[in-house]
Amino acid sequence: EIVLTQSPDFQSVTAKEKVTITCRASQSIDTSLHWYQQKPGQAPKLIIKFAYQSLSGVPSRFSGSGSGTDFALTINGLEAEDVATYYCHQSSAFPNTFGQGSKLEIK
Amino acid sequence: VTVVESGGGWVQPGGSLRLSCAPSGFSFGAFSMNWIRQAPGKGLEWVSLISRNGDTHYTDSVKGRFTVSRDNSKGTLFLQMDNVRADDTAVYYCARSTRITLIAAALTSWGQGTRVTVSS
Repeated sequence: EIVLTQSPDFQSVTAKEKVTITCRASQSIDTSLHWYQQKPGQAPKLIIKFAYQSLSGVPSRFSGSGSGTDFALTINGLEAEDVATYYCHQSSAFPNTFGQGSKLEIK
Repeated sequence: VTVVESGGGWVQPGGSLRLSCAPSGFSFGAFSMNWIRQAPGKGLEWVSLISRNGDTHYTDSVKGRFTVSRDNSKGTLFLQMDNVRADDTAVYYCARSTRITLIAAALTSWGQGTRVTVSS
């Protein structure tokens, strides 16, 4: 099973700050890595697919990078509405797996 | 796109439950479908996938106990949960894979989930 390790588990940031969340895979997964945003009481929402591909309707301040084993989700200029828990997910191999989540809070 | 999960509820350990997922707004039969769960206060856990052709995959903890199936004619996804355990307690979501050309891909079109509680 491929283990995904996210960092940090929790981060308190100021509005408009640049935020980076990393996700490290226990073996190479090429670019089969996706990012989700989950707000309290809501279902997760896909925000980046295949490491860096953006999605329609997702603000341009969200971007993804990486390949192989090391990936990053960057939020350029955090807004209050971005307070959420973020998860990475790999679809390279079965069983698919998720990272443990990274919770963002506004200071 | 609308996705509605149903069938959750309370069940005793060792019992059975059948979850359903009825998406609309896309060509159901063209995509792989997934079940993902989230235990109370915990993170997301991928549970199962069924390809458009009926190939199935499971996470290790549910193999031999859960069975995923689909009825493409009715546009419905199922998860048969047998011999359930306390650690199966979670909100269960269904979601669609994003690519027709891949069995597994990113997950989109999530429902609001159905809650399963396993307790005596």
